Amino acid sequence: DGGITQSPKYLFRKEGQNVTLSCEQNLNHDAMYWYRQDPGQGLRLIYYSQIVNDFQKGDIAEGYSVSREKKESFPLTVTSAQKNPTAFYLCASRSPAGLAGGTYNEQFFGPGTRLTVL
Amino acid sequence: QKEVEQNSGPLSVPEGAIASLNCTYSDRGSQSFFWYRQYSGKSPELIMFIYSNGDKEDGRFTAQLNKASQYVSLLIRDSQPSDSATYLCAVNGVTNAGKSTFGDGTTLTVKP
Repeated sequence: DGGITQSPKYLFRKEGQNVTLSCEQNLNHDAMYWYRQDPGQGLRLIYYSQIVNDFQKGDIAEGYSVSREKKESFPLTVTSAQKNPTAFYLCASRSPAGLAGGTYNEQFFGPGTRLTVL
Repeated sequence: QKEVEQNSGPLSVPEGAIASLNCTYSDRGSQSFFWYRQYSGKSPELIMFIYSNGDKEDGRFTAQLNKASQYVSLLIRDSQPSDSATYLCAVNGVTNAGKSTFGDGTTLTVKP
């Protein structure tokens, strides 16, 4: 089955630690995205990548880092510089434009990782 | 002003009623519009997408787009308790390089 996987489902971080959230997709999508969701809030874009070896900052990139060495993988590192990292983190990918008749197609989301700082 | 605004919730409707969810956007160049449903603790899933002005129907769901008014809505007919979730509006434009801008969501509760 094609899809997006994220691991771990739950993650606990101590103050001052860096942690890495995994995101893998086998949908052959070029574009991948990381979002953060706080309780009662919408999705805020952290980083996105439209092609391998290239990525751009989103609206709230401070304290986060990413890499895109493979098409299938887009890991997110939450660094100790992120002062309030407790949130629900969602990874998504998007198929190439035009397949659904529009300029951009919908995003497919992974199941999410819930990060808690102890 | 937020780029994408949704009507503040929570919204509560009785089972069998029509639920109306609204979304306005600020980028007049926006071209693609999506409605996602998100159950509590889960990830969003696509319900509808619309690109052209007018109505688009899929089962009990109808998306309506009015680009002149910068307004997109989602109607859910014959609402069921299983429709209880948060609905997120997402918008893509020419200038945002494939990024979607999401609204904060409207939480819908359908009461039996």
